[in-house]
Amino acid sequence: EVQLLESGGGLVQPGGSLRLSCAASGFTFSSYAMSWVRQAPGKGLEWVSAISGSGGSTYYADSVKGRFTISRDNSKNTLYLQMNSLRAEDTAVYYCAKDGLGAVAGTHPHYFDYWGQGTLVTVSS
Amino acid sequence: DIQMTQSPSSLSASVGDRVTITCRASQGISNSLAWYQQKPGKAPKLLLYAASRLESGVPSRFSGSGSGTDYTLTISSLQPEDFATYYCQQYYSTLPLTFGGGTKVEIK
Repeated sequence: EVQLLESGGGLVQPGGSLRLSCAASGFTFSSYAMSWVRQAPGKGLEWVSAISGSGGSTYYADSVKGRFTISRDNSKNTLYLQMNSLRAEDTAVYYCAKDGLGAVAGTHPHYFDYWGQGTLVTVSS
Repeated sequence: DIQMTQSPSSLSASVGDRVTITCRASQGISNSLAWYQQKPGKAPKLLLYAASRLESGVPSRFSGSGSGTDYTLTISSLQPEDFATYYCQQYYSTLPLTFGGGTKVEIK
């Protein structure tokens, strides 16, 4: 059974930093791109960042480029999101999501067949 | 960026009704479209991908169609567990991946 478990969310002041983690199990982690998708309170879904199965390719939404860094440790089956220079508009539930297509489909993210339960990040003074 | 416009933003329907939700892309996306269902406080759940392919375990009352820029999610006979918010998402070659604004399906 595929499981994705996020952690690391919490309350942080504007300008602060936070690192999210997503522990994966139930599939060959290194064979799949992974993404972070966020949802501000009462709002829709926004793709934030993706990383290829090997970790060699990374992708970012313009809204977080230069502030967030996605990474993965395939030996620990864990995905990370380092968030720096946080702003009030980064307040959201952050989900990690498994790509629905394997590495044969390329490094580009596609759709998401499994999602974690989400972790809430609140940026406020 | 490819903009995804969903309509309607909300609808009221009764159990047993046929429900149709539309998603329009700002450019052609060659069937690179997924649909998700999200219930309050829960993560989204994949329903369909490649515009019309049903994800394993999803009831057959859900179906998808479309081509080019216009796509449709249909629930043939609405069930009590289907009251939720639905999102479309394009994954055509151009990043960023983008979602529609969502359609909330409420009980009439």
